[in-house]
Amino acid sequence: EIVLTQSPGTLSLSPGERATLSCRASQSVSSSYLAWYQQKPGQAPRLLIYGASSRATGIPDRFSGSGSGTDFTLTISRLEPEDFAVYYCQQYGSSPRFFGPGTKVDIK
Amino acid sequence: QVQLQESGPGLVKPSQTLSLTCTVSGGSISSGDYYWSWIRQPPGKGLEWIGYIYYSGSTYYNPSLKSRVTISVDTSKNQFSLKLSSVTAADTAVYYCAREGYGDYQVFDYWGQGTLVTVSS
Repeated sequence: EIVLTQSPGTLSLSPGERATLSCRASQSVSSSYLAWYQQKPGQAPRLLIYGASSRATGIPDRFSGSGSGTDFTLTISRLEPEDFAVYYCQQYGSSPRFFGPGTKVDIK
Repeated sequence: QVQLQESGPGLVKPSQTLSLTCTVSGGSISSGDYYWSWIRQPPGKGLEWIGYIYYSGSTYYNPSLKSRVTISVDTSKNQFSLKLSSVTAADTAVYYCAREGYGDYQVFDYWGQGTLVTVSS
């Protein structure tokens, strides 16, 4: 199975700053089948990015994804107040589906 | 707009079976375009995929839970269900149902709001 690690565990930033989140896989993720989700307290996760770099419907263009193989990145170009949340990566190139442990982006 | 809604007991005793149902509206499970999944999240922790079912009834379970999990589908009611047997306190979690796409889009694009299930005597 493919294990995902995310770094950093917590990212403390101010609104307007750029956030760079990392997701690393234990083996190559086939066809860049890597997704990113955002989760706010008390809410279900929301799909942001699929296929490593494609934004899901309705997702603002300040969110971007990149990477391939074993190293992937989620970038939020300018943090808005509503972007402070936990972000999970997930691989879907093989089963079982596996989520990373998450990166919390909180207000500095 | 597709909506998913979990339902079931919020409290289950240790060693018993946890049973949840997910009702889908705004789309048909029988369309064949999606898998239908269960995912859980222990309080304060990350997400764990439990398994999925296709409208035909074919399933795939997380090997870590496979011996205790059964997912079934009722296309006439547009519902799918989860049973997790021999539960312990470690199974306490928010349980989500979710729609999973197919092929290049095999991601969880619609989620239920989640339901907290506590395992306690």
